[in-house]
Amino acid sequence: NAGVTQTPKFQVLKTGQSMTLQCAQDMNHEYMSWYRQDPGMGLRLIHYSVGAGITDQGEVPNGYNVSRSTTEDFPLRLLSAAPSQTSVYFCASSRGGEGHYGYTFGSGTRLTVV
Amino acid sequence: DAKTTQPPSMDCAEGRAANLPCNHSTISGNEYVYWYRQIHSQGPQYIIHGLKNNETNEMASLIITEDRKSSTLILPHATLRDTAVYYCIVSSRAQKLVFGQGTRLTINP
Repeated sequence: NAGVTQTPKFQVLKTGQSMTLQCAQDMNHEYMSWYRQDPGMGLRLIHYSVGAGITDQGEVPNGYNVSRSTTEDFPLRLLSAAPSQTSVYFCASSRGGEGHYGYTFGSGTRLTVV
Repeated sequence: DAKTTQPPSMDCAEGRAANLPCNHSTISGNEYVYWYRQIHSQGPQYIIHGLKNNETNEMASLIITEDRKSSTLILPHATLRDTAVYYCIVSSRAQKLVFGQGTRLTINP
């Protein structure tokens, strides 16, 4: 049981390049989310999903796209990287439904845009 | 979702109980209180959550005041490994948690 797996762990991009951050979970969780954390700051929600085929925007969605074609995977796409997107990105998943449950977080992807 | 207020930093001696306060005076009836922590630069770790009753698990206890306007997370016997940033979050939707700045807790030997 691997939990939430994020790849890559580190990435350097040039301004204007695109890339996809991968996130996979093996816990059959319905909810998945992407957060970014800038140095010395709290986490900010980018996008989230409550199930396959359903996504919604969080606090800071601009410059990012997501899709959820399977329960297990929730990739985050940077369309045209900018230095302001330099951050640590965390993916998280949780059981869904009517109850409230805790999120399990991945170990993060550290992205630098130069 | 209601806003939370936490002290920016706290210290606690190893072996003592660490009591982390959180103010959420604008909380509404269907909003839960969640606590997470982040050790160094790792991904956040879920600790506990509650609606109005006090809750306890293997990690901590959550005490919510009767009027639900504040809560306290209690780590009963703090160890050096409990040094982390602790986030108190209030939300009615489990799928949409908004993190604030949190409290940086330092456990001293």
